[in-house]
Amino acid sequence: QKEVEQNSGPLSVPEGAIASLNCTYSDRGSQSFFWYRQYSGKSPELIMFIYSNGDKEDGRFTAQLNKASQYVSLLIRDSQPSDSATYLCAVTGNAGKSTFGDGTTLTVKP
Amino acid sequence: NAGVTQTPKFRILKIGQSMTLQCAQDMNHNYMYWYRQDPGMGLKLIYYSVGAGITDKGEVPNGYNVSRSTTEDFPLRLELAAPSQTSVYFCASGGGLNTEAFFGQGTRLTVV
Repeated sequence: QKEVEQNSGPLSVPEGAIASLNCTYSDRGSQSFFWYRQYSGKSPELIMFIYSNGDKEDGRFTAQLNKASQYVSLLIRDSQPSDSATYLCAVTGNAGKSTFGDGTTLTVKP
Repeated sequence: NAGVTQTPKFRILKIGQSMTLQCAQDMNHNYMYWYRQDPGMGLKLIYYSVGAGITDKGEVPNGYNVSRSTTEDFPLRLELAAPSQTSVYFCASGGGLNTEAFFGQGTRLTVV
């Protein structure tokens, strides 16, 4: 079993729609959870992090964490073509080890 | 603002050669990481360090070695390069468990 799994995609949504990205993790001791965006040929950049159960909102982005279900998600509201990228879920355990999923490629069509 | 600096940006190695990928950060971060990213895939953790003198294996450590003699530097050594090590390598640093990782610009390595 992979330590961090993401919905495989690719995901395509029309402009203005909500994009939903999902991630599950295997280590119950995981402490912090991150969503990164990576444009083709570029380095990952942070979108949001969350470490408490519940929702965290930042502009058009909402991260949701459910530790009991070992599940974290990212919602992107009012999706824009500039949101087209690969989204990477990362999970950090209490030993400092930070593990990524394989990513979900999102395409927002004008 | 240098952040995380990786060198070189590109390199072609022949099978069996060795090289060191350099990584330096100027943010006084304790945590540093090396990842590799194969085409169309996510990041696989090679090695990580939680402070100077402390390193630990990640998911794919075979064929690589690291050292962390200072807070700033975290070089990755490839011994006896193989075609399977063709990848993009990212170094990252972070301040702690609940802070983001800052990435270098990556090193694109090809082994022929």
